[in-house]
Amino acid sequence: QVRLQETGPGLVKPSQTLSLTCTVSGGSINSYDFWWTWLRQPPGEGLQWLGYFYRSTTTYYPSLRSRLTISLDASKSQFSLNLTSVTAADTAVYYCARATSHGGNPMDYWGQGILVTVSS
Amino acid sequence: EIVLTQSPATLSLSPGERATLSCRASQSVGSDLAWYQQRPGQAPRLLVYGISRRATGIADRFSGSGSGTDFTLTISSLEPEDFALYYCQQRYNWGPVTFGGGTKVEIK
Repeated sequence: QVRLQETGPGLVKPSQTLSLTCTVSGGSINSYDFWWTWLRQPPGEGLQWLGYFYRSTTTYYPSLRSRLTISLDASKSQFSLNLTSVTAADTAVYYCARATSHGGNPMDYWGQGILVTVSS
Repeated sequence: EIVLTQSPATLSLSPGERATLSCRASQSVGSDLAWYQQRPGQAPRLLVYGISRRATGIADRFSGSGSGTDFTLTISSLEPEDFALYYCQQRYNWGPVTFGGGTKVEIK
């Protein structure tokens, strides 16, 4: 059974960098069949796709491209998110997920989510 | 960016009733349309992808249909655990992934 687990600080100060890690177990993070993806959901709002890491390349949501970095460490079976210069608008539950190669890249496995609050 | 509009925002039904959820895209998304269920405090769960393909382990009371810009998720007979939020999602032609605003299915 594939499992994903997000870890990281629950509180980040404005203007600082939000860093999260997703640990993948029960499946290979090296597989070329999957896109390793980050999403978020502000409290009481809908889902926003942030970007993914696939085959040594990354793709980001356009409006976040200047602040966002997604990387992958296959030796640790982890992928990570760094979001710089955060503001209160970045407060959200952050999810990592595995997207498949089916049309539209549907996400078949998700982490439980981690709430990150941006506040001084 | 393709915008997905879901309707209605809230659907009030009783257990055993049929639920019909709509998702309309601002332009054609081909067959690159998926549906997710999200229960309170939980991560979303993939229900349907490729318009009509049920994900692994998903009950056959969930079915997807549609084409081009108009899509439907139907729950044939609501079970108590089906009262939740539902989102549609697209990623057409390698553009950014977008989600609809969601439909809440609540107990009447």
